[in-house]
Amino acid sequence: TQLLEQSPQFLSIQEGENLTVYCNSSSVFSSLQWYRQEPGEGPVLLVTVVTGGEVKKLKRLTFQFGDARKDSSLHITAAQPGDTGLYLCAGAENNNDMRFGAGTRLTVKP
Amino acid sequence: SQTIHQWPATLVQPVGSPLSLECTVEGTSNPNLYWYRQAAGRGLQLLFYSVGIGQISSEVPQNLSASRPQDRQFILSSKKLLLSDSGFYLCAWSDRASTEAFFGQGTRLTVV
Repeated sequence: TQLLEQSPQFLSIQEGENLTVYCNSSSVFSSLQWYRQEPGEGPVLLVTVVTGGEVKKLKRLTFQFGDARKDSSLHITAAQPGDTGLYLCAGAENNNDMRFGAGTRLTVKP
Repeated sequence: SQTIHQWPATLVQPVGSPLSLECTVEGTSNPNLYWYRQAAGRGLQLLFYSVGIGQISSEVPQNLSASRPQDRQFILSSKKLLLSDSGFYLCAWSDRASTEAFFGQGTRLTVV
């Protein structure tokens, strides 16, 4: 059973700052997803990365998959208060047992 | 388009009472279905997943069970709730060939 470790656990920054959060594992994943969750709601899929070394951009968010497909990072440029939320990474060694990290709680202060 | 419905949104139940949470998916066939539990502000713990009718895989020993009586229906149950069963329960689905999950709105369960 793979374990996904996310860091930092909590992050509080001012509007306009940049940040990077990490998702690491000792397991190799066929794919890895990033989600954002707001209080009282279900997580919402942001992106899927599949290929080692892959970089995907979603507006101010940049996602990178490690060359060995064991880790990933999410970089946010010029963070805004609307970026506040719990960022979760998830991976599966096959297509059936998706597992999540504990998440990074991001707070962006205006 | 696909939609997922999960109900109720909130539930307060006494210790020892039964539980039944229902989740249905529309707009897709043969989905993988999942139940997760989330502690306050933290990550998701996979409880059960199902790849087809009547096929349930359990991840952790617990006071809960799951059933899939129809292709797009997934039910989480307990015969007697414990205080430790309190939490935020999330149902999700994915296509067979994908690991991208789509979540319901969740059920906040409080056992008193």
